Amino acid sequence: QSALTQPASVSGSPGQSITISCTGTSSDVGSYDLVSWYQQHPGKAPKLMIYEGSKRPSGVSNRFSGSKSGNTASLTISGLQAEDEADYYCCSYAGSRTFVFGTGTKVTVL
Amino acid sequence: EVQLVESGGGLVQPGGSLRLSCAASGFTFRSYGMHWVRQAPGKGLVWVSRINSDGSSTSYADSVKGRFTISRDNAKNMLYLQVDSLRAEDTAVYYCATERASGFDPWGQGTLVTVSS
Repeated sequence: QSALTQPASVSGSPGQSITISCTGTSSDVGSYDLVSWYQQHPGKAPKLMIYEGSKRPSGVSNRFSGSKSGNTASLTISGLQAEDEADYYCCSYAGSRTFVFGTGTKVTVL
Repeated sequence: EVQLVESGGGLVQPGGSLRLSCAASGFTFRSYGMHWVRQAPGKGLVWVSRINSDGSSTSYADSVKGRFTISRDNAKNMLYLQVDSLRAEDTAVYYCATERASGFDPWGQGTLVTVSS
């Protein structure tokens, strides 16, 4: 149950697009199309942004999109806005009804 | 309004125990799997435990297996986490969350557990 690997930080200017990677193994990310992504602002509870790899819950902006290739999942934020500045975490199903989160990425809007 | 409210956190000595509670409202609680996720101060999210909708199946992270017990009372719309043999490294905010399509949504506001002598 090792944490999925994410970059510690990613930054971009308003209006730009950024991509956050989430690298796991063939036992988690690579085996299931069950990666979810969460946004967490300081002092707040996490918020679901993407589930099942690429699906957006109702109410989440279409500027957020998810994808996967092999053992790596990705979250792309297009048209970066100041309110997108937050921590982002990926999470994958890891078999046997267990889950594993990523190490987290701090997104900074320059 | 869909809502989860955790309670039961506090300061406990190493080796001590607590029971965390999560009160659910605004949705059909008995239809959903539920999870506990924790976050140490200044650190990332860590998945802790899951229970299925009727309480017949549970799973745990290796780091808490044998020390933590998840349970639920569907008649009361309540989720619980019994935490025993606490260690300093268990210090964290503990969140409950609803499982929807293998994502966690919504989350409660969290309850802080501090393990210290």
